[in-house]
Amino acid sequence: AQKITQTQPGMFVQEKEAVTLDCTYDTSDPSYGLFWYKQPSSGEMIFLIYQGSYDQQNATEGRYSLNFQKARKSANLVISASQLGDSAMYFCAMREPYSSASKIIFGSGTRLSIRP
Amino acid sequence: DTGVSQDPRHKITKRGQNVTFRCDPISEHNRLYWYRQTLGQGPEFLTYFQNEAQLEKSRLLSDRFSAERPKGSFSTLEIQRTEQGDSAMYLCASSLEQVHSEAFFGQGTRLTVV
Repeated sequence: AQKITQTQPGMFVQEKEAVTLDCTYDTSDPSYGLFWYKQPSSGEMIFLIYQGSYDQQNATEGRYSLNFQKARKSANLVISASQLGDSAMYFCAMREPYSSASKIIFGSGTRLSIRP
Repeated sequence: DTGVSQDPRHKITKRGQNVTFRCDPISEHNRLYWYRQTLGQGPEFLTYFQNEAQLEKSRLLSDRFSAERPKGSFSTLEIQRTEQGDSAMYLCASSLEQVHSEAFFGQGTRLTVV
C-alpha cells in the first residue's frame, strides 16, 4: 500500500536561509510520481514541484528543488533563500500510475515558519 | 478556464441533516478527486473518478458518504445523517491521468456540523 511519511511537524528557519523538508515514501511499484504542495494560511493548495521515479535528474523549479534518493525512498524538498512568504504547510504526495489505485495520497505535512 | 470551483464555500448544518457539495473541475481534466482535511493534517483521500467512473472509495468512508460524477464533468459529494465528526474542509481536485500531471485544487467547502 502507498504511504507517505513527513516526520517534521514544524520547523522554524531564519529568513534567507535554506531549508530542507523531509519526505519518505513506501511503494512496491517501480513507476510513480512525487509532488510537493504548499498550503498557506489562506487554505489554497499550490503545486510546487514534481519528480518522476524514472527521472535521471533532481527536479528544480526556481527556489525549489527536490533531493530525490530513490534507493532510500526519500524525496526531500529544498527551499533556497527562504522568504517570509514561504511560511505555510508543506505536503508531500505520491501517485502510482499503473496500479489499480492510481490516486494521489498525501503526507501529514510540515508547518514551516520563517523568522525575519 | 477559471480552475476548480467548489460550492458552497461554507456550510453549517445540524447533526442528522444531509448535505451536498458540488465540484466543477478544469474542463479538460478526466480525473476528479475528493479529499477531507482537518486542521493541521494532510488531505485524506475519500474517492476519485476517471470521467464518470468512480475508481476507488476509501475504506475509511462510511456508507453515509456518496459521490457522483454523472456526465464526467462536475461532481457531487453527499453526506447523509451528518455527525459532528464530519466537520472538516472538503477539497476537490482534478487532473489529467498522466503520472506527471499535478492535481489542481479548489478552494474547498468548510463543513461545520453543530
